[in-house]
Amino acid sequence: AQKITQTQPGMFVQEKEAVTLDCTYDTSDPSYGLFWYKQPSSGEMIFLIYQGSYDQQNATEGRYSLNFQKARKSANLVISDSQLGDSAMYFCAMRGENYGGATNKLIFGTGTLLAVQP
Amino acid sequence: DSGVTQTPKHLITATGQRVTLRCSPRSGDLSVYWYQQSLDQGLQFLIQYYNGEERAKGNILERFSAQQFPDLHSELNLSSLELGDSALYFCASSVFPLGPLTDTQYFGPGTRLTVL
Repeated sequence: AQKITQTQPGMFVQEKEAVTLDCTYDTSDPSYGLFWYKQPSSGEMIFLIYQGSYDQQNATEGRYSLNFQKARKSANLVISDSQLGDSAMYFCAMRGENYGGATNKLIFGTGTLLAVQP
Repeated sequence: DSGVTQTPKHLITATGQRVTLRCSPRSGDLSVYWYQQSLDQGLQFLIQYYNGEERAKGNILERFSAQQFPDLHSELNLSSLELGDSALYFCASSVFPLGPLTDTQYFGPGTRLTVL
């Protein structure tokens, strides 16, 4: 079974600083994808970044980067130059690719609430 | 704006009632997914449709059902509602039914259901 663990219920960061949100995962699938989504207080889920298990390089998207350590089964999100608008709940999710019975469903962690302070 | 639309945005109803949530996927996406976000269960996958056919089922109650229409919009029907069904219901869409791992799911704004 697949599982995503986010151990930080809440985090604070000062504006303009960088912050790392932790995500560890467990899967027996030979290949898988890891996703981060942002959920502001308005409620919508916004896709941020994707990392494939066989990708040679860590994913980056603007101020977002993913610190992917396959051996440790971790996929931490790094937000650089934090802005007030980054205050939100952040979810790590994964999709597995297995042989037979595979689905596209996403498995989500419990989320980390990030507060950016001026 | 993800391109996925959901209506209504808010829904307040009473126990025992039936409601229908509607979702229109992004242009070009053929797969639609429904997720439920509640305080006690977190974000959970309910069901997936691709091009009108059910493709995968998750933790969906028998009181809940869904369908996808020829124009690809989808509806989630919730019946005999209970207090515990109060949650945020998301629709997401993607291109493929079971595509490459890069096939990202884009979420709609959600429908917040309150059962009184």
